[in-house]
Amino acid sequence: SAVISQKPSRDICQRGTSLTIQCQVDSQVTMMFWYRQQPGQSLTLIATANQGSEATYESGFVIDKFPISRPNLTFSTLTVSNMSPEDSSIYLCSVAEGRDYGYTFGSGTRLTVV
Amino acid sequence: GEDVEQSLFLSVREGDSSVINCTYTDSSSTYLYWYKQEPGAGLQLLTYIFSNMDMKQDQRLTVLLNKKDKHLSLRIADTQTGDSAIYFCAESMGSSNTGKLIFGQGTTLQVKP
Repeated sequence: SAVISQKPSRDICQRGTSLTIQCQVDSQVTMMFWYRQQPGQSLTLIATANQGSEATYESGFVIDKFPISRPNLTFSTLTVSNMSPEDSSIYLCSVAEGRDYGYTFGSGTRLTVV
Repeated sequence: GEDVEQSLFLSVREGDSSVINCTYTDSSSTYLYWYKQEPGAGLQLLTYIFSNMDMKQDQRLTVLLNKKDKHLSLRIADTQTGDSAIYFCAESMGSSNTGKLIFGQGTTLQVKP
């Protein structure tokens, strides 16, 4: 299955600042996803990152807050903008490979906003 | 609406079997997944089942699917302390396994020595 490198693994940020999370895949994949896992909670899909077009956002998530780039089939970034303590979560990228591999996840970025 | 529900906590003794249950709502889901998350780690795919199957066995793992009741279970035989983790079931929306995933809340499995 695909190997995903996600950076940074963790960060502590000041409120009002922005953080960009990178996701690099070792193979070309069509579908990439960004999830948020709030403390003690399940995973919630933020958006689907489409190569060559704008990301598709889920209800409750907007592009101004979570801009996403997908410049090619192996890379994507998620920016968490104008952060507040409520944005403290684990952010995970995921790729869909189909067949037996299903969905592979990056190791996550643990964000703490102070 | 889209909803996946799981029991939140399960405690078993080492060597016993663990059964984690999950219910889902989307009858068009084609694939259903079980993921494991260890503390501080990402998600590891354990197994999946295609919706036209009733059962799938993979070493110590057995997945049972009752499509009529939209009920999914994961049985771990001979549970070990290394199995302690959070287990998430997830359904793939729609008729492919490349659409978005909807996750349950996660079941924390505690294995006592």
